[in-house]
Amino acid sequence: GQQVMQIPQYQHVQEGEDFTTYCNSSTTLSNIQWYKQRPGGHPVFLIQLVKSGEVKKQKRLTFQFGEAKKNSSLHITATQTTDVGTYFCAGPPANNAGNMLTFGGGTRLMVKP
Amino acid sequence: DSGVTQTPKHLITATGQRVTLRCSPRSGDLSVYWYQQSLDQGLQFLIQYYNGEERAKGNILERFSAQQFPDLHSELNLSSLELGDSALYFCASSLSTGAGTGEQFFGPGTRLTVL
Repeated sequence: GQQVMQIPQYQHVQEGEDFTTYCNSSTTLSNIQWYKQRPGGHPVFLIQLVKSGEVKKQKRLTFQFGEAKKNSSLHITATQTTDVGTYFCAGPPANNAGNMLTFGGGTRLMVKP
Repeated sequence: DSGVTQTPKHLITATGQRVTLRCSPRSGDLSVYWYQQSLDQGLQFLIQYYNGEERAKGNILERFSAQQFPDLHSELNLSSLELGDSALYFCASSLSTGAGTGEQFFGPGTRLTVL
Protein backbone atom coordinates (compact mmCIF):
# COMPACT_ATOMS: atom_id res chain seq x y z
CA GLY A 1 0.00 0.00 0.00
CA GLN A 2 0.91 3.65 -0.14
CA GLN A 3 3.63 4.77 2.28
CA VAL A 4 4.59 8.31 3.21
CA MET A 5 7.93 8.89 4.91
CA GLN A 6 9.15 12.04 6.60
CA ILE A 7 12.64 13.04 7.60
CA PRO A 8 14.01 13.95 9.96
CA GLN A 9 11.98 12.41 12.76
CA TYR A 10 13.22 15.01 15.24
CA GLN A 11 14.96 18.35 14.86
CA HIS A 12 16.37 20.62 17.54
CA VAL A 13 17.18 24.15 16.41
CA GLN A 14 18.25 27.37 18.07
CA GLU A 15 15.67 30.11 17.78
CA GLY A 16 16.39 32.06 14.61
CA GLU A 17 17.78 29.09 12.69
CA ASP A 18 16.03 27.68 9.65
CA PHE A 19 14.27 24.31 9.56
CA THR A 20 13.25 21.96 6.78
CA THR A 21 11.26 18.75 6.81
CA TYR A 22 11.00 16.43 3.83
CA CYS A 23 8.15 14.18 2.81
CA ASN A 24 8.38 11.29 0.33
CA SER A 25 5.58 9.10 -0.95
CA SER A 26 5.94 5.64 -2.47
CA THR A 27 3.24 6.52 -4.99
CA THR A 28 2.26 9.60 -6.97
CA LEU A 29 -0.02 11.84 -4.99
CA SER A 30 -3.08 13.73 -6.08
CA ASN A 31 -2.18 16.53 -3.70
CA ILE A 32 -0.22 17.06 -0.51
CA GLN A 33 -1.52 18.53 2.71
CA TRP A 34 0.50 19.75 5.69
CA TYR A 35 -0.68 19.77 9.27
CA LYS A 36 0.86 21.04 12.50
CA GLN A 37 0.24 19.48 15.88
CA ARG A 38 1.33 21.41 18.95
CA PRO A 39 2.36 19.37 22.01
CA GLY A 40 -0.81 18.09 23.67
CA GLY A 41 -2.94 19.41 20.83
CA HIS A 42 -4.63 18.19 17.70
CA PRO A 43 -3.50 18.43 14.08
CA VAL A 44 -4.29 21.74 12.42
CA PHE A 45 -4.38 22.14 8.66
CA LEU A 46 -1.70 24.42 7.24
CA ILE A 47 -1.94 24.15 3.48
CA GLN A 48 -2.75 22.01 0.45
CA LEU A 49 -0.64 21.87 -2.72
CA VAL A 50 -2.12 20.40 -5.87
CA LYS A 51 0.03 21.22 -8.90
CA SER A 52 3.32 19.65 -9.87
CA GLY A 53 6.19 21.94 -8.82
CA GLU A 54 3.88 24.21 -6.83
CA VAL A 55 5.40 26.53 -4.24
CA LYS A 56 3.35 28.37 -1.65
CA LYS A 57 4.39 30.70 1.14
CA GLN A 58 2.76 31.56 4.43
CA LYS A 59 4.84 34.25 6.15
CA ARG A 60 8.01 32.39 7.23
CA LEU A 61 6.79 29.00 5.94
CA THR A 62 7.51 27.82 2.39
CA PHE A 63 5.88 24.68 1.01
CA GLN A 64 6.95 22.87 -2.14
CA PHE A 65 5.39 20.02 -4.10
CA GLY A 66 7.79 18.03 -6.25
CA GLU A 67 7.64 17.85 -10.02
CA ALA A 68 6.78 14.16 -9.91
CA LYS A 69 4.17 14.78 -7.17
CA LYS A 70 5.84 12.20 -4.95
CA ASN A 71 7.67 14.49 -2.58
CA SER A 72 7.22 17.72 -0.72
CA SER A 73 9.03 19.94 1.71
CA LEU A 74 8.26 22.51 4.35
CA HIS A 75 10.87 25.14 5.14
CA ILE A 76 10.63 27.53 8.07
CA THR A 77 12.85 30.60 8.01
CA ALA A 78 14.12 32.04 11.28
CA THR A 79 12.29 29.69 13.63
CA GLN A 80 10.47 31.02 16.66
CA THR A 81 9.39 29.23 19.84
CA THR A 82 5.83 29.33 18.54
CA ASP A 83 6.90 26.99 15.71
CA VAL A 84 7.36 24.13 18.19
CA GLY A 85 5.29 21.09 17.31
CA THR A 86 5.08 18.11 14.99
CA TYR A 87 4.64 18.73 11.29
CA PHE A 88 2.83 16.08 9.27
CA CYS A 89 2.46 15.74 5.54
CA ALA A 90 -0.43 13.73 4.14
CA GLY A 91 -1.74 12.86 0.73
CA PRO A 92 -4.15 10.67 -1.19
CA PRO A 93 -2.92 8.53 -4.07
CA ALA A 94 -3.25 10.08 -7.51
CA ASN A 95 -5.42 7.27 -8.78
CA ASN A 96 -8.02 7.82 -6.07
CA ALA A 97 -8.03 11.39 -4.84
CA GLY A 98 -11.20 10.89 -2.89
CA ASN A 99 -9.70 8.12 -0.87
CA MET A 100 -7.99 8.12 2.47
CA LEU A 101 -5.20 10.44 3.47
CA THR A 102 -1.97 8.66 4.30
CA PHE A 103 0.02 10.61 6.87
CA GLY A 104 3.76 10.67 7.20
CA GLY A 105 5.28 9.88 10.57
CA GLY A 106 5.83 13.56 11.28
CA THR A 107 8.84 15.70 12.13
CA ARG A 108 8.96 16.96 15.68
CA LEU A 109 10.50 20.42 15.86
CA MET A 110 11.97 21.71 19.09
CA VAL A 111 13.21 25.29 19.32
CA LYS A 112 15.64 26.50 21.97
CA PRO A 113 15.12 30.14 22.93
CA ASP B 1 -11.27 25.66 18.45
CA SER B 2 -11.93 23.62 15.30
CA GLY B 3 -15.66 23.23 15.91
CA VAL B 4 -15.31 19.44 16.16
CA THR B 5 -16.17 18.02 19.57
CA GLN B 6 -15.18 14.68 21.01
CA THR B 7 -16.22 12.95 24.20
CA PRO B 8 -14.93 11.75 26.51
CA LYS B 9 -11.58 13.50 26.75
CA HIS B 10 -10.00 10.64 28.69
CA LEU B 11 -11.03 7.04 29.08
CA ILE B 12 -9.40 4.42 31.27
CA THR B 13 -10.60 0.87 31.02
CA ALA B 14 -9.46 -2.72 31.34
CA THR B 15 -8.48 -5.31 28.77
CA GLY B 16 -11.42 -7.15 27.29
CA GLN B 17 -13.81 -4.26 27.77
CA ARG B 18 -15.78 -2.29 25.20
CA VAL B 19 -15.90 1.49 24.86
CA THR B 20 -17.65 4.04 22.67
CA LEU B 21 -16.06 7.28 21.54
CA ARG B 22 -18.28 10.06 20.30
CA CYS B 23 -17.68 12.82 17.77
CA SER B 24 -19.74 15.75 16.58
CA PRO B 25 -18.50 17.31 13.34
CA ARG B 26 -18.39 21.00 12.49
CA SER B 27 -21.72 22.43 11.53
CA GLY B 28 -22.31 21.73 7.85
CA ASP B 29 -19.61 19.07 7.46
CA LEU B 30 -20.90 15.79 6.11
CA SER B 31 -17.70 13.75 6.29
CA VAL B 32 -16.33 12.31 9.50
CA TYR B 33 -12.97 10.56 9.77
CA TRP B 34 -11.48 8.54 12.61
CA TYR B 35 -7.74 8.33 13.26
CA GLN B 36 -5.60 6.51 15.78
CA GLN B 37 -2.38 8.09 17.03
CA SER B 38 -0.05 5.93 19.07
CA LEU B 39 3.14 7.18 20.75
CA ASP B 40 5.49 5.57 18.26
CA GLN B 41 3.32 5.95 15.21
CA GLY B 42 1.85 8.77 13.25
CA LEU B 43 -1.78 9.25 12.44
CA GLN B 44 -3.36 6.03 11.22
CA PHE B 45 -6.56 6.43 9.26
CA LEU B 46 -9.29 4.11 10.47
CA ILE B 47 -12.52 4.89 8.67
CA GLN B 48 -14.55 7.62 6.98
CA TYR B 49 -18.28 8.24 6.85
CA TYR B 50 -20.04 10.62 4.52
CA ASN B 51 -23.61 11.59 5.22
CA GLY B 52 -24.29 8.37 7.07
CA GLU B 53 -22.59 5.99 4.65
CA GLU B 54 -19.21 4.34 5.02
CA ARG B 55 -16.96 5.97 2.44
CA ALA B 56 -13.43 4.68 2.98
CA LYS B 57 -11.75 2.18 5.23
CA GLY B 58 -8.17 2.11 6.45
CA ASN B 59 -6.42 -0.41 8.66
CA ILE B 60 -9.32 -0.69 11.07
CA LEU B 61 -9.36 -3.82 13.20
CA GLU B 62 -12.38 -6.11 13.11
CA ARG B 63 -12.84 -5.42 16.82
CA PHE B 64 -13.49 -1.77 15.93
CA SER B 65 -16.61 -0.44 14.27
CA ALA B 66 -18.11 2.95 13.62
CA GLN B 67 -21.29 4.56 12.46
CA GLN B 68 -22.62 7.97 11.57
CA PHE B 69 -26.10 8.91 12.67
CA PRO B 70 -28.74 11.02 10.88
CA ASP B 71 -27.71 14.08 12.90
CA LEU B 72 -24.17 13.44 11.52
CA HIS B 73 -22.50 12.70 14.81
CA SER B 74 -20.36 9.59 14.76
CA GLU B 75 -19.40 6.91 17.22
CA LEU B 76 -16.37 4.65 17.21
CA ASN B 77 -16.86 1.39 19.08
CA LEU B 78 -13.81 -0.49 20.31
CA SER B 79 -14.36 -3.95 21.75
CA SER B 80 -12.29 -6.74 23.31
CA LEU B 81 -9.76 -4.08 24.16
CA GLU B 82 -6.07 -4.93 24.31
CA LEU B 83 -3.17 -3.06 25.86
CA GLY B 84 -2.00 -2.09 22.39
CA ASP B 85 -5.23 -0.19 21.75
CA SER B 86 -4.09 2.52 24.16
CA ALA B 87 -3.77 5.61 22.00
CA LEU B 88 -5.15 9.00 21.15
CA TYR B 89 -8.21 8.73 18.92
CA PHE B 90 -9.00 11.73 16.77
CA CYS B 91 -12.11 12.52 14.87
CA ALA B 92 -11.96 14.95 11.97
CA SER B 93 -14.59 16.42 9.71
CA SER B 94 -14.67 18.07 6.33
CA LEU B 95 -17.12 19.53 3.91
CA SER B 96 -15.86 17.42 1.01
CA THR B 97 -16.86 13.91 0.11
CA GLY B 98 -13.34 12.61 -0.20
CA ALA B 99 -10.54 12.52 2.35
CA GLY B 100 -8.00 13.88 -0.06
CA THR B 101 -9.95 16.75 -1.49
CA GLY B 102 -9.84 19.35 1.20
CA GLU B 103 -8.96 20.52 4.65
CA GLN B 104 -9.86 18.30 7.57
CA PHE B 105 -10.74 19.81 10.94
CA PHE B 106 -9.61 17.72 13.87
CA GLY B 107 -11.28 17.43 17.24
CA PRO B 108 -9.34 17.54 20.53
CA GLY B 109 -9.12 13.74 20.69
CA THR B 110 -9.98 11.04 23.19
CA ARG B 111 -7.08 9.52 25.09
CA LEU B 112 -7.78 5.85 25.70
CA THR B 113 -5.77 3.96 28.27
CA VAL B 114 -6.25 0.21 28.51
CA LEU B 115 -4.91 -1.35 31.72
